[in-house]
Amino acid sequence: KAGVTQTPRYLIKTRGQQVTLSCSPISGHRSVSWYQQTPGQGLQFLFEYFSETQRNKGNFPGRFSGRQFSNSRSEMNVSTLELGDSALYLCASSGTGAGYTFGSGTRLTVV
Amino acid sequence: DQQVKQNSPSLSVQEGRISILNCDYTNSMFDYFLWYKKYPAEGPTFLISISSIKDKNEDGRFTVFLNKSAKHLSLHIVPSQPGDSAVYFCAASPSGAGSYQLTFGKGTKLSVIP
Repeated sequence: KAGVTQTPRYLIKTRGQQVTLSCSPISGHRSVSWYQQTPGQGLQFLFEYFSETQRNKGNFPGRFSGRQFSNSRSEMNVSTLELGDSALYLCASSGTGAGYTFGSGTRLTVV
Repeated sequence: DQQVKQNSPSLSVQEGRISILNCDYTNSMFDYFLWYKKYPAEGPTFLISISSIKDKNEDGRFTVFLNKSAKHLSLHIVPSQPGDSAVYFCAASPSGAGSYQLTFGKGTKLSVIP
């Protein structure tokens, strides 16, 4: 059974640009959550999608957005990148009673 | 305002001995707790969880204890092995259907010395 797949693994962007990250959940999982990990703040919840609807949202500015497609794949977008957005972005998928499984993350570096 | 705190950034333990990782929380709405293990450049891997209706859950070498009155949980690893060396995160989730928002502590780096 394939795990949670995140692409790309690494990304370098310039300040002011925008970026889109992709997450393919475990087959059958309908919930996808996104987290940001930084050395200073640890793992922080961004948002969660279920059946193409955003159910929960963390305390991040509107520059961070996401969406989920009918096949449960999810994307998150960050517009007008800032240096402080450099982080490891993690996606987790969950099914009924299945717990949370994380992908390996996308390492975003903003220069 | 940190709702989940792991006050020890690091811990060193001799191989074969017990590792005890601690976690405190402040939000009374949390009723489901998880421990994750993380290696550098990888996503967190689920280890063990506990719901607030229990005070102990075991899975092989891993045991999690929950003290609701103290809002404290701990992860015991016995015996500790060098492969256990990683960063351990405590996470908590509030009750309610459809709540998939985890609040994480900042992690404790465990080093198991051979």
